[in-house]
Amino acid sequence: DSGVTQTPKHLITATGQRVTLRCSPRSGDLSVYWYQQSLDQGLQFLIQYYNGEERAKGNILERFSAQQFPDLHSELNLSSLELGDSALYFCASSGGVWGGYGYTFGSGTRLTVV
Amino acid sequence: SQQGEEDPQALSIQEGENATMNCSYKTSINNLQWYRQNSGRGLVHLILIRSNEREKHSGRLRVTLDTSKKSSSLLITASRAADTASYFCATERTSGSRLTFGEGTQLTVNP
Repeated sequence: DSGVTQTPKHLITATGQRVTLRCSPRSGDLSVYWYQQSLDQGLQFLIQYYNGEERAKGNILERFSAQQFPDLHSELNLSSLELGDSALYFCASSGGVWGGYGYTFGSGTRLTVV
Repeated sequence: SQQGEEDPQALSIQEGENATMNCSYKTSINNLQWYRQNSGRGLVHLILIRSNEREKHSGRLRVTLDTSKKSSSLLITASRAADTASYFCATERTSGSRLTFGEGTQLTVNP
């Protein structure tokens, strides 16, 4: 157990639907990052939050949104799902906004869009 | 696009041999990190080397960094079957920016 908890572990849904992925960071970590891993795109950074505020945005589609709550857990919302959204979605946390630390990754949510 | 490119894409060795993986990147960095991923699982942080460091050791791992060539290498000595995994380098360009991952090297250690 890495200390970062992601739920659910697996999700199968139909095109056009909306899903919410949840992440609880390691205790004490204020930064949360979301990554998408697919076979053809590798690990793509989506978005970062630090202590409840959006810190950086990467290749996140407009159909996707995220937030970090006061208890520091984060949710990634994916809507109008397409077949190409099928991927592993990882959440990671780290100890500070100023970097220089390794990330702790969750075990991921495997999303399959059918 | 990925910041890092890793070489080789796949590596197959026998147990007990050393494994060397290389990573190149394109921009200046604050630090470079290596991660391991077992099939379909989360990534595990292995080691971090800062831009002002040239070499770092952790157990059977040795990492080098050459900022003039924008490259790094990860050496795993006396490999074990349990080392079979994908290995990724990741760069942090500036303090506080996100990590950008390379494509990864798939290492297979045959017993």
